[in-house]
Amino acid sequence: SYELTQPPSVSVSPGQTARITCSGQILAKQFTYWYQQKPGRAPFLVMKKDLERPSGIPERISGSSSGTTVTLTISGVQAEDEADYYCQSTDNNATHPEWVFGGGTKLTVL
Amino acid sequence: QVQLVQSGAGVKKPGASMKVSCTASGYTFTAYYVHWVRQAPGQGLEWMGRINPNTGGTNFAQKFHRRVTMTRDTSMSTVYLALSRLTSDDTAVYYCARGSPQAVGGADFWGQGTLVTVSS
Repeated sequence: SYELTQPPSVSVSPGQTARITCSGQILAKQFTYWYQQKPGRAPFLVMKKDLERPSGIPERISGSSSGTTVTLTISGVQAEDEADYYCQSTDNNATHPEWVFGGGTKLTVL
Repeated sequence: QVQLVQSGAGVKKPGASMKVSCTASGYTFTAYYVHWVRQAPGQGLEWMGRINPNTGGTNFAQKFHRRVTMTRDTSMSTVYLALSRLTSDDTAVYYCARGSPQAVGGADFWGQGTLVTVSS
């Protein structure tokens, strides 16, 4: 099975730019989705299909993709952005499509 | 608005089985896959499998395929996750999530989560 690799933590000061990466072989062929999760809450979709913002997600949150690495970028970081972020894609090489999650990145706003 | 409402928390003994429900509203229930994802305390997200509410067809992660069952009741717009032969490693919050009309893709709406604690 395939793995998705994320940095365990990213720290930035308010107003700065946070970049969270997700790497894995399957990302070269499959879309990536990003979820924000705050303590005690369910995950929340913040980016779909690598770079499409769901309705209601601010423009300061963007996504990009290059080969086997996708990046979630949060510009002008605010305190409310402090959360865990998970990338997710699909392994189409199994007998049926299987979701794969990255290990998660804790974004700390200093 | 789209909502997924899950059943309440529970405590189970090792070796027992669990069953969690997820009731959907605000959209055509049979048009979107529903996925189940769990999260052990302090850990990341783990995909368990999906169900097609239209056909009842299921796919499971290899890790769970011998212990997991997913069913649906279209009259109640509800899907169910059952997991048997529980161990302490199954202590987790279990989430249902609405996927896409296809088996691939992500989840745009999630249930609130159901904590299942396995303890003797």
